[in-house]
Amino acid sequence: KQEVTQIPAALSVPEGENLVLNCSFTDSAIYNLQWFRQDPGKGLTSLLLIQSSQREQTSGRLNASLDKSSGRSTLYIAASQPGDSATYLCAVEGNTDKLIFGTGTRLQVFP
Amino acid sequence: DAGVIQSPRHEVTEMGQEVTLRCKPISGHNSLFWYRQTMMRGLELLIYFNNNVPIDDSGMPEDRFSAKMPNASFSTLKIQPSEPRDSAVYFCASRTRASGTDTQYFGPGTRLTVL
Repeated sequence: KQEVTQIPAALSVPEGENLVLNCSFTDSAIYNLQWFRQDPGKGLTSLLLIQSSQREQTSGRLNASLDKSSGRSTLYIAASQPGDSATYLCAVEGNTDKLIFGTGTRLQVFP
Repeated sequence: DAGVIQSPRHEVTEMGQEVTLRCKPISGHNSLFWYRQTMMRGLELLIYFNNNVPIDDSGMPEDRFSAKMPNASFSTLKIQPSEPRDSAVYFCASRTRASGTDTQYFGPGTRLTVL
């Protein structure tokens, strides 16, 4: 059974820092891995999607990497801003259409 | 497009009552997903549909839960009778692989409180 773990559970950093969020999964037979952002009381917004054949994806200040063999992904946020404060969730999709979510990392960026 | 639409946004009900949550997927999307989010268990997939057909309902907690998708633009999730442990945020998501992306698009969620 696929299990997804995210470390750390919470993170508080000053504005301007570069930071890394970690995601690990137990079954390497994945179809893709996705990173989402969730603001309090809101739905999920997709940030980056990495197909199993890819190693990384970039969007603006965000970079996500995937090491399928070791069951790990990282989300790198460059030059963090207070507007980046949110919960970040990673999710893996196997050979079905089902997304298995991690428990998330709650990020706070203070001015 | 307005995105995935869910209604109601908030629902407060008493134990034993029937609850119906509604979802309108993005036009042209042929897959629809229902998720539940709680502090204890995080985000869990309850059921999903492809082309209006239920594919996997193994995440539905018990027989009190049922979901339908009568057409490509509407789905319901019903709880009958409701219990306090059903209190959670319920999300609907949709997608199509035809656009070349596997991204699921989430609605704003329905916050359900069962007293």
